[in-house]
This record gives sequence, structure tokens and C-alpha cells, in this order.
Amino acid sequence: SFELTQAPAVSVSPRQAVSITCSGDKLGDKFVSWYQQKPGQSPVLVIHQNNKRPSGIPERFSGANSGNTAALTISETEVTDEADYYCQAWDSATDVVFGGGTKLTVL
Amino acid sequence: EVQLEQSGAELKKPGESLKISCKASGYTFPNYWLAWVRQKPGKGLEWLGTIYPADSDARYSPSFEGQVTISADKSINTAYLEWSRLKASDTAMFYCARTLFFGSGSHKDILSYWGLGTLVTVSS
Repeated sequence: SFELTQAPAVSVSPRQAVSITCSGDKLGDKFVSWYQQKPGQSPVLVIHQNNKRPSGIPERFSGANSGNTAALTISETEVTDEADYYCQAWDSATDVVFGGGTKLTVL
Repeated sequence: EVQLEQSGAELKKPGESLKISCKASGYTFPNYWLAWVRQKPGKGLEWLGTIYPADSDARYSPSFEGQVTISADKSINTAYLEWSRLKASDTAMFYCARTLFFGSGSHKDILSYWGLGTLVTVSS
């Protein structure tokens, strides 16, 4: 079955850039979305269709997808970006799949 | 303003049935896919399935097909997630979420509006 793999945790210093990756077989052939979830809150869509930002999402969030890896990049990371981040893709056999999530710590 | 109002927390016993709801407002309910997502305590997101309320076309994740039932009543702008026999392992937060794009042929997996979640606890 189709699976998406994410590193459990990543840390970054404020104002630095950070990339959170998501890997899966031929992932570059699929559309990837990214969700941010802060403790006790519902998820928020931050990137869809690999690199599109929904209205209201800051420009410092960007996405890319190629080969077997997709990446969410946050430039000039802020303390408020500390959250769990989930990638998501659709596969014809498995339907919609989420990655296991990456906990981003800003310190 | 798009809003998804989910029903309140539930405490049930194993073997009991349950139906939780998600009432939508602020948009044309029949014409956007509405999905259900599970999150077990301290764990990640899991896709259960989705429904297109205009024709009640429901699609399920293979992992959850037969375990839950997704339905919708477009006359009252409400979607439902139902269990016939709960298990302790069903304990989780359940979110409903609406797709970003209009129409049945759209990306049904891109979830732009989320409810606050319904906490379901199954314990004897």
C-alpha cells in the first residue's frame, strides 16, 4: 500500500529557513498538500497541489515535489510556526494518505 | 463565512452504536466533498472517507471500509459518521473537513475548512 514517510521531529532557530520532507514511491507524480496543526487545534491547510498557498497563508510557506520527495519550506521561521506538519497525497489504490507528521520546534 | 459545527463529545461503551454529526453553513453544502479524519490521542491524522452530499456518493479508505458509515442529509446541511459496534480502539478525535474546490470532479482530498472535532471515548 502507498505510504508517506516523514521525519518525527525537526528543529530550527527563529528567522532561519527549514524544510520538512515527505517521501513516497513516485510521489512526484502526485499532488501533495501540507497541513499545520498546533496543540489542541484543528489542522490548517498551508500548501496544496504541491506549491499553492491558500488565501491567508504567509508567503514564507512554500512547497515543492519531485521524484520521491516533497518538501515544505518555511523561510524566516517564526516562533508561531511551531506545530506538527502533515503531508498528504492521493493514491488510486490507497485513496487519501497522510504522512506520520513532523513536529517542528522553533528554538 | 464557512463553518462546520460538530456534535459534542461522546462517552460510549464497547459494542454500542454511535452517530456523530457535522453541520455546515456559509456555503452550498451539496456541492463540496466533505471528509472525515481520525486522530488518536497523541497520534497523526488518518483519512476515513468522504461524501459528496448532492448525490450521497461516499468513498472510503480501504482501511475503514465496513468499519464506519458516512452519510449526509442535504436538506439540513449535515454530514454524519456512524458506527454500529464501537470498540475501545475507536477512541479518538474525529474531524469533518470541507474540500477547497467546488464540484464532484474536484480534488476531494484538499481540505480547506475543518470543524473543531468530536472526541469519542469508548471505555467499559
